[in-house]
Amino acid sequence: KAGVTQTPRYLIKTRGQQVTLSCSPISGHRSVSWYQQTPGQGLQFLFEYFSETQRNKGNFPGRFSGRQFSNSRSEMNVSTLELGDSALYLCASSFRDSVFEQFFGPGTRLTVL
Amino acid sequence: AQKVTQAQTEISVVEKEDVTLDCVYETRDTTYYLFWYKQPPSGELVFLIRRNSFDEQNEISGRYSWNFQKSTSSFNFTITASQVVDSAVYFCALGNSKLTFGKGITLSVRP
Repeated sequence: KAGVTQTPRYLIKTRGQQVTLSCSPISGHRSVSWYQQTPGQGLQFLFEYFSETQRNKGNFPGRFSGRQFSNSRSEMNVSTLELGDSALYLCASSFRDSVFEQFFGPGTRLTVL
Repeated sequence: AQKVTQAQTEISVVEKEDVTLDCVYETRDTTYYLFWYKQPPSGELVFLIRRNSFDEQNEISGRYSWNFQKSTSSFNFTITASQVVDSAVYFCALGNSKLTFGKGITLSVRP
């Protein structure tokens, strides 16, 4: 069974640009959650999607958004990038929800210059 | 608000030593779940255990064991006879609809 895949693995952007990250969950998993990991703030929950609907949201500004497609693949978008958005963005999929066992992808390392 | 505190930031042990990773949590929810995840150098978080708030039974899985005590709001993780492959960052997490993670404990196991 293929694991969670995330593309791209590395990304370099400049301030003010926008970026879209992609996540393909494990086949059969309908819940996809996104997390931001930084050395200072640690792992922080961004949002969770289930069957194309956002089910939960963390405390991030509206510049961070996401969506989920009918095949459960998910994208997250960050608009008007700031230096502080530099982080490892992790996607996790679950059969049921984010408080069930989650399987994490390798992450996308975003660097904002 | 929910909070997870992993007071230990870095632990270094010699192979075959036992090591306990501490986790203390705060929540007003009566139903919640506690987790431990491992993040090896490769970066992908790996699920280790999930425990619900109504199940205070300790659990043992091979060299791993977990001690859940609601009275002290703690969910500690012990690795017995540690091995070099146990070197990783270990996260404790809490939630009932979305997860709050602790800052993580970096465990280094030296040969």
